[in-house]
Amino acid sequence: QIQLVQSGPELKKPGESLKISCKASGYTFTDYAMQWVKQAPGKGLQYMGWINTQTGKPTYADDFKERFVFSLETSASTAYLQINNLKNEDTATYFCRSGPDYWGQGVMVTVSS
Amino acid sequence: DIQMTQSPPSLSASLGDKVTITCQASQNINKYIAWYQQKPGKAPRLLIRYTSTLESGTPSRFSGSGSGRDYSFSISNVESEDIASYYCLQYDNLRTFGGGTKLELK
Repeated sequence: QIQLVQSGPELKKPGESLKISCKASGYTFTDYAMQWVKQAPGKGLQYMGWINTQTGKPTYADDFKERFVFSLETSASTAYLQINNLKNEDTATYFCRSGPDYWGQGVMVTVSS
Repeated sequence: DIQMTQSPPSLSASLGDKVTITCQASQNINKYIAWYQQKPGKAPRLLIRYTSTLESGTPSRFSGSGSGRDYSFSISNVESEDIASYYCLQYDNLRTFGGGTKLELK
């Protein structure tokens, strides 16, 4: 069946970087773009942007044009979200989403000194 | 980016009530709005796309309407399983979520 499986929770310090993964299965990876959504604790959903899985071209929402990088490993049907120079306000759950409405389970990222 | 103003932020309803949530876009979004339900600890679930098209499996008590900049989402005959947060999402230009509405039982 169709699944998006994300990597595990992360605990990082301010200024560090991280890279989380989203592995797709059950469909052709390049049929759909991969999108990323942030949800801070107790807060709403925030659309981060998307990456074209055929060309690798990323598009970022205004709030995510600095420090955030979307990438692909197409041969492994995997998308990545890298966050550089982590800040406390990056503490959140990050979801990947693709296709008609396939979602990963979310990755909890905690940034704390 | 297009901004989406969703109201109210929270809603208290009794079982069987009808509730309505609104979203106003900062510009015309040509009916490209979807509505999501999210329960605690879970990924969002798409209920309605293109203003009023129910996804497979969405109960008929859910409905959507609107045009231009102004859109609404309703649940008639609220059931206990509807207790959740709801979000609008415009997808006319990139994507933007509304701020969300938390539906609670009165």
